[in-house]
Amino acid sequence: DSGVTQTPKHLITATGQRVTLRCSPRSGDLSVYWYQQSLDQGLQFLIQYYNGEERAKGNILERFSAQQFPDLHSELNLSSLELGDSALYFCASSAGTILGMADTQYFGPGTRLTVL
Amino acid sequence: AQSVSQHNHHVILSEAASLELGCNYSYGGTVNLFWYVQYPGQHLQLLLKYFSGDPLVKGIKGFEAEFIKSKFSFNLRKPSVQWSDTAEYFCAAGLYNTDKLIFGTGTRLQVFP
Repeated sequence: DSGVTQTPKHLITATGQRVTLRCSPRSGDLSVYWYQQSLDQGLQFLIQYYNGEERAKGNILERFSAQQFPDLHSELNLSSLELGDSALYFCASSAGTILGMADTQYFGPGTRLTVL
Repeated sequence: AQSVSQHNHHVILSEAASLELGCNYSYGGTVNLFWYVQYPGQHLQLLLKYFSGDPLVKGIKGFEAEFIKSKFSFNLRKPSVQWSDTAEYFCAAGLYNTDKLIFGTGTRLQVFP
């Protein structure tokens, strides 16, 4: 158990819909990262938040957005869903940096999204 | 741009065979290096990490990795694999002045009894 929690575990929805995925980081971690993992694209970094502020953006579509709340939990919002958005969505957390270098990321169990 | 390369995309071994998975990074400065493992249907778990010191790092489940700075490599090894090692293995690098990790594309390991 990494200490990172994600809900829901599974999500089945239809094209065009909007969903929200939730992540709670490990106690004390200020950074939250979102990743998308699919068979054809592999593990793709989407976005990072640090202490409530957006820190880095990766391959995140405009239809997707995220935020981190004062209690440090984060939500990833996916809208106008398409079949190709079906994937595993992982959240990871870390303390940020250690001596100026990226620290270990701890991954949550993921949310499996199926778009029908 | 900085990147992490895992040249072995799919490795198939029999139980008790030795394993070495390659990982190379493209960055001239100081790096933190990680190996993560993802068992079927599960999330990524930390296998081992290198921050500094002894370049030979021992991790969980009998895995080890060696950091060779001159070769920009951080290869993962295990002397004798088991069927339960069947998983996908990801190498990652953390660079200076950023808290983002750069992941390789992963190596899928299949171990047959």
